Amino acid sequence: DAGVTQSPTHLIKTRGQQVTLRCSPKSGHDTVSWYQQALGQGPQFIFQYYEEEERQRGNFPDRFSGHQFPNYSSELNVNALLLGDSALYLCASSQGLDRNYYNEQFFGPGTRLTVL
Amino acid sequence: AQTVTQSQPEMSVQEAETVTLSCTYDTSENNYYLFWYKQPPSRQMILVIRQEAYKQQNATENRFSVNFQKAAKSFSLKISDSQLGDTAMYFCAFMKHEGRDDKIIFGKGTRLHILP
Repeated sequence: DAGVTQSPTHLIKTRGQQVTLRCSPKSGHDTVSWYQQALGQGPQFIFQYYEEEERQRGNFPDRFSGHQFPNYSSELNVNALLLGDSALYLCASSQGLDRNYYNEQFFGPGTRLTVL
Repeated sequence: AQTVTQSQPEMSVQEAETVTLSCTYDTSENNYYLFWYKQPPSRQMILVIRQEAYKQQNATENRFSVNFQKAAKSFSLKISDSQLGDTAMYFCAFMKHEGRDDKIIFGKGTRLHILP
């Protein structure tokens, strides 16, 4: 079991550009959550995808969008990049079928995005 | 809104000593989960221990244990017989026990150094 994987590992972009980050969930998981971790801070929830739809969203602007594919993998897209978007972007996967019980979220190693 | 506060930005202890990391949180929810996550330099966020709010008994996982004080909204982590591999960022985190909202809310973290 490869666990949660993310690509790329590192990415450098300039202000105004657009970026796409990718996440493959752990085998058997159908739910993907994205978090942004600025330097020296704890992760902040961006949004969550289940059954190819956005199920929850944190306090992030519409420049942040996502997608989930039929194989449960997910993409995070950020448009019109700002310097403040520089961060570690973490993906977490879980099983979302029965949400009345605790479903552990397993994290990937993250993608380090630097905006110049 | 829920908040998680970690008042110790950085701590250092000698190998084999015991160390306690502090965390307080604020919520109006009655049912929720509390977590401690470890993030080593590899960036992979790893779940260390979980506590369900409805359980009075403090959770333990080998050398890791918590002191959960629900009325005081306090949730500290004790690491016994600390090892060099325990060096990492530690995040206290909160999640509602409600099916439709399972986003994790993190504190800012405590950087722990285990000294040889």
